[in-house]
Amino acid sequence: KAGVTQTPRYLIKTRGQQVTLSCSPISGHRSVSWYQQTPGQGLQFLFEYFSETQRNKGNFPGRFSGRQFSNSRSEMNVSTLELGDSALYLCASSGERGREETQYFGPGTRLLVL
Amino acid sequence: AQTVTQSQPEMSVQEAETVTLSCTYDTSESDYYLFWYKQPPSRQMILVIRQEAYKQQNATENRFSVNFQKAAKSFSLKISDSQLGDAAMYFCAYRRLWVVFGQGTRLTINP
Repeated sequence: KAGVTQTPRYLIKTRGQQVTLSCSPISGHRSVSWYQQTPGQGLQFLFEYFSETQRNKGNFPGRFSGRQFSNSRSEMNVSTLELGDSALYLCASSGERGREETQYFGPGTRLLVL
Repeated sequence: AQTVTQSQPEMSVQEAETVTLSCTYDTSESDYYLFWYKQPPSRQMILVIRQEAYKQQNATENRFSVNFQKAAKSFSLKISDSQLGDAAMYFCAYRRLWVVFGQGTRLTINP
């Protein structure tokens, strides 16, 4: 099976712009979670989608949003970018039978905000 | 709120030796999952091992094993016969509704 894929892998934006990141889960997985990784804050949970519905949400401002499509692919959007949004954004999928809680990560999208 | 603490920011070990990475967590729940992930430099996060809290038996995956002490809320990772490819940042993680990660331990393998 192919692993979790994320596009694009690298992105440079300027303050005030918006960005959309994409994640394709492992085939058969219905849950997709998003995390922000920074040197200062570590790995922080953004949100989780299951069957096109947001199931859990972390403590991030409303500028961070996401959605999931019927094929389980997910997108994350950040509007009005700030310098502090520079980070590695990781997507993880789960749903393997018998191990539904176990997440498998994609390679990440590295976002630089100038 | 659940928290995960890794008290060793960095560790090093000689190749072929054994090293133990520490992790403690705080929760009031009785049913949850624990994980160790490794993240090599500029590479993908990889699942190393998982533990179900309701199972007393410690999980093992080849050279990797855990010491799960539920009452003490401790979940350490032992790497036996360390190899150069084990060099990475190791994250301890707890999952109830979502995953909470520790700050990570950077492991260096000395040849």
